[in-house]
Amino acid sequence: KNEVEQSPQNLTAQEGEFITINCSYSVGISALHWLQQHPGGGIVSLFMLSSGKKKHGRLIATINIQEKHSSLHITASHPRDSAVYICAANSGGSNYKLTFGKGTLLTVNP
Amino acid sequence: DAGVIQSPRHEVTEMGQEVTLRCKPISGHNSLFWYRQTMMRGLELLIYFNNNVPIDDSGMPEDRFSAKMPNASFSTLKIQPSEPRDSAVYFCASSPGLAPIQYFGAGTRLSVL
Repeated sequence: KNEVEQSPQNLTAQEGEFITINCSYSVGISALHWLQQHPGGGIVSLFMLSSGKKKHGRLIATINIQEKHSSLHITASHPRDSAVYICAANSGGSNYKLTFGKGTLLTVNP
Repeated sequence: DAGVIQSPRHEVTEMGQEVTLRCKPISGHNSLFWYRQTMMRGLELLIYFNNNVPIDDSGMPEDRFSAKMPNASFSTLKIQPSEPRDSAVYFCASSPGLAPIQYFGAGTRLSVL
């Protein structure tokens, strides 16, 4: 069983919809990362957080340490948001080793 | 800064051939990572260097894989001999070290026929 689980695996939305992607982890962590990967493209770090909430434009990431759960929200989704979103955790004893979720494929239709 | 630079972007080779993937990290970053991404297993850490020294190579699949970092601006991942199951996208990432945010290269898509 992967230590980092994401849901859903695939998500299709209409332009303008509010999107939520979930991530649960089973080990103690020092930080939780959200990454974005466009089809055939590289990987971009969106957020790193260890508590609370962070916002960047239309993207919001939250984390609940007690429940070992994080969410990535996209407001007013747009087709250019279509990508794979990957959750990754720094396990408690390491500030470099990331354990990755399998990713969520988001497709936003116009 | 140009970001993390990987070459080649695509590599097609035949089973048994040697493959060398290259990475130039962001200047000033002292941590470098090699990852492999497949549909089945997602992203996996192969090896981690800090200040050019290999710190964690527990993810290197077997002796056919080797990685070097001769200086702070260059690293290689070599597969010899290559096998079809090595087909994947290989990413290099670097980090400034004080914060665990990693900056990824565009990846090398390797196909071993």
